[in-house]
Amino acid sequence: DSGVTQTPKHLITATGQRVTLRCSPRSGDLSVYWYQQSLDQGLQFLIQYYNGEERAKGNILERFSAQQFPDLHSELNLSSLELGDSALYFCASSVGELYGYTFGSGTRLTVV
Amino acid sequence: DQQVKQNSPSLSVQEGRISILNCDYTNSMFDYFLWYKKYPAEGPTFLISISSIKDKNEDGRFTVFLNKSAKHLSLHIVPSQPGDSAVYFCAAYGGSQGNLIFGKGTKLSVKP
Repeated sequence: DSGVTQTPKHLITATGQRVTLRCSPRSGDLSVYWYQQSLDQGLQFLIQYYNGEERAKGNILERFSAQQFPDLHSELNLSSLELGDSALYFCASSVGELYGYTFGSGTRLTVV
Repeated sequence: DQQVKQNSPSLSVQEGRISILNCDYTNSMFDYFLWYKKYPAEGPTFLISISSIKDKNEDGRFTVFLNKSAKHLSLHIVPSQPGDSAVYFCAAYGGSQGNLIFGKGTKLSVKP
C-alpha cells in the first residue's frame, strides 16, 4: 500500500457519459498530480494541484477538469466521454514539487 | 514532442546477467532524473534517482548513470532476477517543468 488511494479501481461507462475519479494523497503530501496512461503510451501528465490550487497543466482536454479540496483529496472529472478516453488514470502525491512522487494503483476506465 | 525518450519498448535478459535500460532526453534544463518500476495492476513505484551534479548513483543491484553531454541516462541491474520483470519508466524534471515528464517505458523480462 503506497498510501495514495484511488477509487474506483475499475470503471466501465458509455460514450457521452461523465465520470469522477477520486484520489486521496499520502498523509502530509500537499501536491497531487494526475496522469493518463493509454495503450502504448507513457504516463501523460494532465494536471497538478498544490494545497488546493492548480499549479500546472499538461495535456488535459477541455472535457476534463479537476479540483483539490480543503482536505487535500482530489477529483478528476471526465465528461462527454469518447472511446479514446479509455485508459489508466493515475494519481500521485508528493510533499512538495521537487520530490519524487508516490503513485496510487490507478483507475482503469473503459468507455464502450 | 517527446522530451524523455525510451527507444526500446522491450528487453529480454537471462537471470543473473546484466540488464541495461536506456533513456534519452532533449531538454538541457532537466536537472533531476528518476526511474520508476511498474508491475501490472499497480502504480509506478520509485526505484532510484540521480541529480545532474552527479554522473552515477548506486543502490544495491541498481545503478543509474548520467551522461549530461549526451543527454543520456541508463539503469543497470546486476544481477537481474525474475522479480525484476516489470515496465521501467525514466522520468525527468527541472527548469520550467514543475512536474515529472515520463518516457513511454521499457518492458523488462528476466527469464529464469
